[in-house]
Amino acid sequence: EIVLTQSPATLSLSPGERATLSCRASQGVSTYLAWYQQKPGQSPRLLIHNASKRATGIPARFSGSGSGTEFTLTISSLEPEDFAVYYCQHRFNWPLTFGGGTKVEIK
Amino acid sequence: QLVESGGGLVQPGGSLRLSCAASGFSFSIYEMNWVRQAPGKGLEWVSYISSGGGHIHFADSVKGRFTVSRDNAGNSLFLQMNSLRAEDTAVYFCAREDDYFDAFDIWGQGTMVTVSS
Repeated sequence: EIVLTQSPATLSLSPGERATLSCRASQGVSTYLAWYQQKPGQSPRLLIHNASKRATGIPARFSGSGSGTEFTLTISSLEPEDFAVYYCQHRFNWPLTFGGGTKVEIK
Repeated sequence: QLVESGGGLVQPGGSLRLSCAASGFSFSIYEMNWVRQAPGKGLEWVSYISSGGGHIHFADSVKGRFTVSRDNAGNSLFLQMNSLRAEDTAVYFCAREDDYFDAFDIWGQGTMVTVSS
């Protein structure tokens, strides 16, 4: 099973600041990695697929990069609605797994 | 749109069948998944079924206890959960998988399953 380790667990930032979230895979997943955003009481929302491609309707301030075992989700300038929990997930082999999540909170 | 139903309170060792009704897209051409989230915890992938139903995968934590099926004519996905344990307590989401995106692009709102005596 591929383990996805997200860091940091919590990121305390102010609106307008840049957020950098990390996802590390225990073995290579090529670019079969997605990022999701989840707000309290809501379902997850797809942000990034195939490591770097923004999903439909996702603002340009969200960007993804990486391949193999190291991935990054960057939010260039935090908007109030971006404070949420972010998860990475691989689609490389079975079983699929999610990372433990990074909570982006208001400082 | 995806709408889950069938959640509720069940005793340990009991069974429950979840449903996921799809609308607004061609359900039969999409792979589908179940993902769960225990209270206050992260996301856990549970199960996958291919568009035609011929390929199925499960997380080790539910293998041998859960089965997944679909009715493409009725635009529905199902998760049969047997031998339920306290650790199966979670919100269960169904999610559409886009084969091009290799990701879950549409999620239901979730249905709560509580396993407790």
